Amino acid sequence: DTEVTQTPKHLVMGMTNKKSLKCEQHMGHRAMYWYKQKAKKPPELMFVYSYEKLSINESVPSRFSPECPNSSLLNLHLHALQPEDSALYLCASSQDDEGSIRAFFGQGTRLTVV
Amino acid sequence: DAKTTQPPSMDCAEGRAANLPCNHSTISGNEYVYWYRQIHSQGPQYIIHGLKNNETNEMASLIITEDRKSSTLILPHATLRDTAVYYCIVRAYNAGGTSYGKLTFGQGTILTVHP
Repeated sequence: DTEVTQTPKHLVMGMTNKKSLKCEQHMGHRAMYWYKQKAKKPPELMFVYSYEKLSINESVPSRFSPECPNSSLLNLHLHALQPEDSALYLCASSQDDEGSIRAFFGQGTRLTVV
Repeated sequence: DAKTTQPPSMDCAEGRAANLPCNHSTISGNEYVYWYRQIHSQGPQYIIHGLKNNETNEMASLIITEDRKSSTLILPHATLRDTAVYYCIVRAYNAGGTSYGKLTFGQGTILTVHP
């Protein structure tokens, strides 16, 4: 199984809503990531978890709250988002191997904030 | 991590080789060159990576110049399904334990394969 599964595929939420994005992998990877991608732009890194601990936060606003309950799961909790947060949110995972980072990406959750 | 420069777009005829260039003139000795692609509305897909030797796998070949300041991704027989944005990324090896998978994407090259 070389898949990273993200749910839901599409999400529409209001600015006062609380929602969560979910990501799952069963490749035994110990590093997992959240990226944000705006239309016609490259993906931008948001968070990196290594061995279930947050190792990188790219100065992401606190309305985005990541969580790694175990080595296979990664969540992104959303609260009080703004319309400009509408984007494709990508999850990825990789082996804990600094020499060669082959990251596997999910298909993304397309988020619309209304 | 070193910055990369890629042409914004390229065209290729189906069945012909697609050669995608990437300039990384400030690359350091411990930095790998990675290529990913992103087909419309999908997540990025790993293609290939290399340090200084040329590499080949079932998807593509990677040619790195001797001075490592540039590289070329070669899709030997492009198909319509190869139409995508191709990203060249340079990333350090053993980057102090704080940059696992920190792939920094540039603008990439939009490759369009024509029938």
